[in-house]
Amino acid sequence: EDQVTQSPEALRLQEGESSSLNCSYTVSGLRGLFWYRQDPGKGPEFLFTLYSAGEEKEKERLKATLTKKESFLHITAPKPEDSATYLCAGYQGGSEKLVFGKGTKLTVNP
Amino acid sequence: DTEVTQTPKHLVMGMTNKKSLKCEQHMGHRAMYWYKQKAKKPPELMFVYSYEKLSINESVPSRFSPECPNSSLLNLHLHALQPEDSALYLCASSQLVGELFFGEGSRLTVL
Repeated sequence: EDQVTQSPEALRLQEGESSSLNCSYTVSGLRGLFWYRQDPGKGPEFLFTLYSAGEEKEKERLKATLTKKESFLHITAPKPEDSATYLCAGYQGGSEKLVFGKGTKLTVNP
Repeated sequence: DTEVTQTPKHLVMGMTNKKSLKCEQHMGHRAMYWYKQKAKKPPELMFVYSYEKLSINESVPSRFSPECPNSSLLNLHLHALQPEDSALYLCASSQLVGELFFGEGSRLTVL
């Protein structure tokens, strides 16, 4: 069964303390890996698309990378406003369906 | 305009009521989606419309009925729901697969 597993489930950081979130996948024939940010009670916000191993995308304090087995979301010098749940999703093609991970809840304390 | 607008934001309904959730996008996206999300869970796909035609129905019970009147609008008609159907219902649109633009959701409570 195609799966996307995120770790850790929750992460608490101090402001300025850099870290990484992990997304490992067993989606056969992965055609795309996507990262989203979700604030409480809101819809997810699209962040990045990664298509091939070695690819990297950056936006402000966030950088997403992809290997053949996993993706990382690196957060550099985070701020309290980066607190959110980060979701990754895999796409294997053939339909519009994404396989979502359960998310990592990030809390950044001032 | 990069927004997906959902109405209403909150809805409370009894098990015998009929109600509808509405979604609108003006980005010219070819695909529109309904997702259901329970607390502390990822979004769960319900329906996908591509070029105004239903392309995916994830075995959703018939008490949920989607409708796509045109390329900008998506409705979800609700009838005879159960309390376990209470959730956040998210609409999304996309032009590229996987790059979804979500609305803020409609919080549904079934009494």
